Amino acid sequence: GAVVSQHPSWVICKSGTSVKIECRSLDFQATTMFWYRQFPKQSLMLMATSNEGSKATYEQGVEKDKFLINHASLTLSTLTVTSAHPEDSSFYICSARSPGTGEAFFGQGTRLTVV
Amino acid sequence: GIQVEQSPPDLILQEGANSTLRCNFSDSVNNLQWFHQNPWGQLINLFYIPSGTKQNGRLSATTVATERYSLLYISSSQTTDSGVYFCAVGDTGTASKLTFGTGTRLQVTL
Repeated sequence: GAVVSQHPSWVICKSGTSVKIECRSLDFQATTMFWYRQFPKQSLMLMATSNEGSKATYEQGVEKDKFLINHASLTLSTLTVTSAHPEDSSFYICSARSPGTGEAFFGQGTRLTVV
Repeated sequence: GIQVEQSPPDLILQEGANSTLRCNFSDSVNNLQWFHQNPWGQLINLFYIPSGTKQNGRLSATTVATERYSLLYISSSQTTDSGVYFCAVGDTGTASKLTFGTGTRLQVTL
């Protein structure tokens, strides 16, 4: 299947700082990528849809100024958590769908802890 | 938006037992996938099954799209099957998002 790689796997940052998470499609081009967030013992919730060359589409209730998304190439999307606070601590995971089959594949996820 | 409910929410099995996990969805879909989330959070693709039946080793899945449900069967369970199982639904197309179900947390004991 297709490979989606996410980096870093975990990060600890101080409150008020910004953190960038990268998501790459390794063996296919992805004009669209998806960013999800998962709190402990909960399901995955879509935060935003990342569109190559245009603005991201954010789900209701997600602050676009706090979660900056950039999709500058067909294989890379980044999520920047700006001015992070402890309540932003969560598991963030990206996804892209294979252009051949439409099957969705996920990165390894990033566990963010804000202290 | 579409609602996706999974049952049971929690399941404890002894090694070697069989189980059936269910995924109900509230609207027509063209895409349905099953995932296993391991203890490190990684989502492992199990099945891409918008309709019909598929089998992969000890796992099999059936989706009855007209009745808006899918079933995941695990036979001869092993401790490595432990984790959370999610179904996710959506439309076809690479720009279409997936909506995740509530998940089933499975623990397989010796």
